[in-house]
Amino acid sequence: GAVVSQHPSRVICKSGTSVKIECRSLDFQATTMFWYRQFPKQSLMLMATSNEGSKATYEQGVEKDKFLINHASLTLSTLTVTSAHPEDSSFYICSARGGGGVLYSEAFFGQGTRLTVV
Amino acid sequence: AQSVTQLDSHVSVSEGTPVLLRCNYSSSYSPSLFWYVQHPNKGLQLLLKYTSAATLVKGINGFEAEFKKSETSFHLTKPSAHMSDAAEYFCVVSEPRAAGNKLTFGGGTRVLVKP
Repeated sequence: GAVVSQHPSRVICKSGTSVKIECRSLDFQATTMFWYRQFPKQSLMLMATSNEGSKATYEQGVEKDKFLINHASLTLSTLTVTSAHPEDSSFYICSARGGGGVLYSEAFFGQGTRLTVV
Repeated sequence: AQSVTQLDSHVSVSEGTPVLLRCNYSSSYSPSLFWYVQHPNKGLQLLLKYTSAATLVKGINGFEAEFKKSETSFHLTKPSAHMSDAAEYFCVVSEPRAAGNKLTFGGGTRVLVKP
């Protein structure tokens, strides 16, 4: 299957600083990318959906000014957690879906990023 | 709207015995359904998918699932559990691209395999 690379896998930052997480599709063009947040022992919660070249669509309750998403190309999306606080500590996962003529294209997931804000 | 319910939050099996993970869904569309596995602090790996072809779907690592429209179910099975199967499993339903292309996740089932 296709590969989605997410970087970094782990990051520790000080409260008040910003952290950028990258998500790259290595061998396919990702027309749509998704960002999820996962709390311990819970399912994935969709934060936002981004399509290349357009603004991200955020889910209800997700602060767009705090979680900045940029989908600058068909192979790269970034999530920036601005002014991070300890409650932002979580596991963040991206996924990417291709385009083409497939109605239900498979989603490929990154390895996840463990963010700890101290 | 679509939703997914995984009926068991935890399943415990002995190595070598069958595994059954139950999933029911609802969808306004003809659904595509997926099962993903997640090992601790890792991303998700696709086990198998149903996209309106054969109702019995075979996946990787000996897993298979059967799509039953009348029961709105997509249960995951494996005839003989291995220690490496201990992980979190997610049943997922997909919207078509024209409807937003979103995936809706079940709550997850944590599988424990006893030696």
